[in-house]
Amino acid sequence: GQNIDQPTEMTATEGAIVQINCTYQTSGFNGLFWYQQHAGEAPTFLSYNVLDGLEEKGRFSSFLSRSKGYSYLLLKELQMKDSASYLCAVKAYNFNKFYFGSGTKLNVKP
Amino acid sequence: DTAVSQTPKYLVTQMGNDKSIKCEQNLGHDTMYWYKQDSKKFLKIMFSYNNKELIINETVPNRFSPKSPDKAHLNLHINSLELGDSAVYFCASSQDRSGGAYEQYFGPGTRLTVT
Repeated sequence: GQNIDQPTEMTATEGAIVQINCTYQTSGFNGLFWYQQHAGEAPTFLSYNVLDGLEEKGRFSSFLSRSKGYSYLLLKELQMKDSASYLCAVKAYNFNKFYFGSGTKLNVKP
Repeated sequence: DTAVSQTPKYLVTQMGNDKSIKCEQNLGHDTMYWYKQDSKKFLKIMFSYNNKELIINETVPNRFSPKSPDKAHLNLHINSLELGDSAVYFCASSQDRSGGAYEQYFGPGTRLTVT
């Protein structure tokens, strides 16, 4: 089966850096994805990791350690518009299944 | 141009009714999905089709029946609606071939409220 854990909620200050962690247990791992979801909107893709290491995309970076079943999303220079839920999703090798964590609600304060 | 579109955006109906939600993607993707997001924001996969063939059918009541007339469309029909069916239903698509790691693109969601 699949088990994905993320913190429920985090608060950070505008301009700061925040790290959102995700741990997972899965069979047939084929990639870890991060999505952003603003309230009342659809999830939108942020980044993904298939191999160990850090992937950087502008203000967002994502890290993966497959041996530890661990990933994090790093958001730099936080802006108010970054207030949203961040969903960690693991892709299983069989039949292209995606399993989502329950999401981390990030509150950015002025 | 909307990549993944769903209709309707809102659906309010009574228990026992039958309703359908439609989804279309113009990205040329091979795979489409239906997800249910409950009040706790947990996104759970329901079904997936690859080139009109059902490949994922999670533990979903058989009151839910997906249908894919072609690879750009995936509809969801729900019979005998129950209060617990109230949720946001998201359609998504991805360019999945041979287990490659491709991201999903989500539609705007359909907020279903059963009274």
